[in-house]
Amino acid sequence: GDSVTQMEGPVTLSEEAFLTINCTYTATGYPSLFWYVQYPGEGLQLLLKATKADDKGSNKGFEATYRKETTSFHLEKGSVQVSDSAVYFCALSVNTDKLIFGTGTRLQVFP
Amino acid sequence: GAGVSQSPRYKVAKRGQDVALRCDPISGHVSLFWYQQALGQGPEFLTYFQNEAQLDKSGLPSDRFFAERPEGSVSTLKIQRTQQEDSAVYLCASSSVQGARLPQHFGDGTRLSIL
Repeated sequence: GDSVTQMEGPVTLSEEAFLTINCTYTATGYPSLFWYVQYPGEGLQLLLKATKADDKGSNKGFEATYRKETTSFHLEKGSVQVSDSAVYFCALSVNTDKLIFGTGTRLQVFP
Repeated sequence: GAGVSQSPRYKVAKRGQDVALRCDPISGHVSLFWYQQALGQGPEFLTYFQNEAQLDKSGLPSDRFFAERPEGSVSTLKIQRTQQEDSAVYLCASSSVQGARLPQHFGDGTRLSIL
């Protein structure tokens, strides 16, 4: 079935470091891909999305490119801040509206 | 408010009790979803409504779980004869129209603890 695999955390970085959180997927159809973020004590928020191959989603300095050939949607940011500390979820949706999530990756950024 | 509202935020129940969780979607949103998020895991799909019609309930883990959205707005997720494994955060999400490519807006969730 359809699934999402993302790197285990926690990912611990110093402020201004480069961030990569890996995400790969398996899908029977042509999925839309998403990154959601969950800040401490808050609900899930959409961070960015891409709906077709080679699309790049971007928001708040984060980027992810839909790579069909490698079935990947890795999240990147050039310079992280303490305020980026959160749990990040990669997700996909195929044909139906339901989202299939990865297990989440906790990011901890220290000053 | 402008967002998805869920109540209660926290619910503690004894094993065997019935519970009801409420979701108020964003006004006018056609699609409504319920997800279950166990500790340290990603959310898992439970069920989906388009207006009042329940189009997909494939994720409901057992017949103890029941969801309804009778007027196409507020939805209630009911769990009968609760078990300890039902302890989780239950998330509700809504989106404006049907379409896999549109983002879902999530509520803050109801944290259910079964003693």
